[in-house]
Amino acid sequence: QKEVEQNSGPLSVPEGAIASLNCTYSDRGSQSFFWYRQYSGKSPELIMSIYSNGDKEDGRFTAQLNKASQYVSLLIRDSQPSDSATYLCAVNPLPTNSNSGYALNFGKGTSLLVTP
Amino acid sequence: ETGVTQTPRHLVMGMTNKKSLKCEQHLGHNAMYWYKQSAKKPLELMFVYSLEERVENNSVPSRFSPECPNSSHLFLHLHTLQPEDSALYLCASSQDKGQPQHFGDGTRLSIL
Repeated sequence: QKEVEQNSGPLSVPEGAIASLNCTYSDRGSQSFFWYRQYSGKSPELIMSIYSNGDKEDGRFTAQLNKASQYVSLLIRDSQPSDSATYLCAVNPLPTNSNSGYALNFGKGTSLLVTP
Repeated sequence: ETGVTQTPRHLVMGMTNKKSLKCEQHLGHNAMYWYKQSAKKPLELMFVYSLEERVENNSVPSRFSPECPNSSHLFLHLHTLQPEDSALYLCASSQDKGQPQHFGDGTRLSIL
């Protein structure tokens, strides 16, 4: 069973603070990692992709990947109330006999609440 | 029009009805996907098509039948659904395996 684990939250942070969202995955061979943001009643929106160990920054977002620890995180700097949403971690496992390599395994998501 | 568009946005149907969900992507991608999202559960992959060929089928009941006539269009044909099939059905596309998937707005399906 390929699992992606996230703390469901809610994670509450004050406006202007750094929000830290974490994700662990079970398939050691996973190669591609994605963070999606999903507002209530809306579809997931891609916000970050990361493929190699280390940090990747895009505006106020930083994704961090540690394949040895099977851990990926998302930092949101200067959090805004508009960042309040559910953040989904998605992991793309290596192809196997039973897996084409196209599927993404999603976590259940972490609910983030940024308070003014 | 850009991105991934899904129709209808909302659908209410009885258990004996037959309906179809439609998805169209304008991104020039080669792969298209159907996902099911139910409350309190992770997104569940249902079907994957790459260049119009089905490449993955995750033990989905036969009352769901996908169709991919070309690389830009994907359908999900529904018949004799059950109340537990009520969910948000999401279509996505990607350039290739391992690449980011981009989602449509989804179809909110309610089975009476």
